[in-house]
Amino acid sequence: DTAVSQTPKYLVTQMGNDKSIKCEQNLGHDTMYWYKQDSKKFLKIMFSYNNKELIINETVPNRFSPKSPDKAHLNLHINSLELGDSAVYFCASSQGGASGETQYFGPGTRLLVL
Amino acid sequence: KNQVEQSPQSLIILEGKNCTLQCNYTVSPFSNLRWYKQDTGRGPVSLTIMTFSENTKSNGRYTATLDADTKQSSLHITASQLSDSASYICVVILNYGGSQGNLIFGKGTKLSVKP
Repeated sequence: DTAVSQTPKYLVTQMGNDKSIKCEQNLGHDTMYWYKQDSKKFLKIMFSYNNKELIINETVPNRFSPKSPDKAHLNLHINSLELGDSAVYFCASSQGGASGETQYFGPGTRLLVL
Repeated sequence: KNQVEQSPQSLIILEGKNCTLQCNYTVSPFSNLRWYKQDTGRGPVSLTIMTFSENTKSNGRYTATLDADTKQSSLHITASQLSDSASYICVVILNYGGSQGNLIFGKGTKLSVKP
């Protein structure tokens, strides 16, 4: 009964490939997010969706395309993977999009691009 | 430039001891400040959320303080346990219409509690 789940947990792939990471939350939350945590452990928000609609898109290359088939899912598709994409990607959710809402994070997907 | 700086970078303490982690920020306009605990290989878990009007907030053995004038926050851990070993991340949220998107993360303090 994991609240926010991500698959896969580990992803090793070659440069130039296209890959997807899936995220699901069973908390009934309206807002979901994708974060990237680099090797220096900095967490940085990439995208935010509220009720399947994109509300935040930070300066992320357009090789990254989030897709929200319903409000419980926010998948991340990455085209033409580059070495610099290697990082841990965290999905999170919150009840609403307001700044006072607690975000619940998934376990992370460790992406290694060779 | 909006920044969140945490100190120390890493800390080793003995089980049962107390410790204090620091967070200084230059974020403006400020909405609220959060402390997260991130176990190795796991996602961050929220410990506390504080608005600018709150000076202190506790969650079990964790007590966070906030001085909005000096733009400093601290996280005090009492009677540390081995399970407290983790990275503690300070996050400051910008106040732009209440959006969650303007989050500025610190690098974290890596705490190791030894028996």
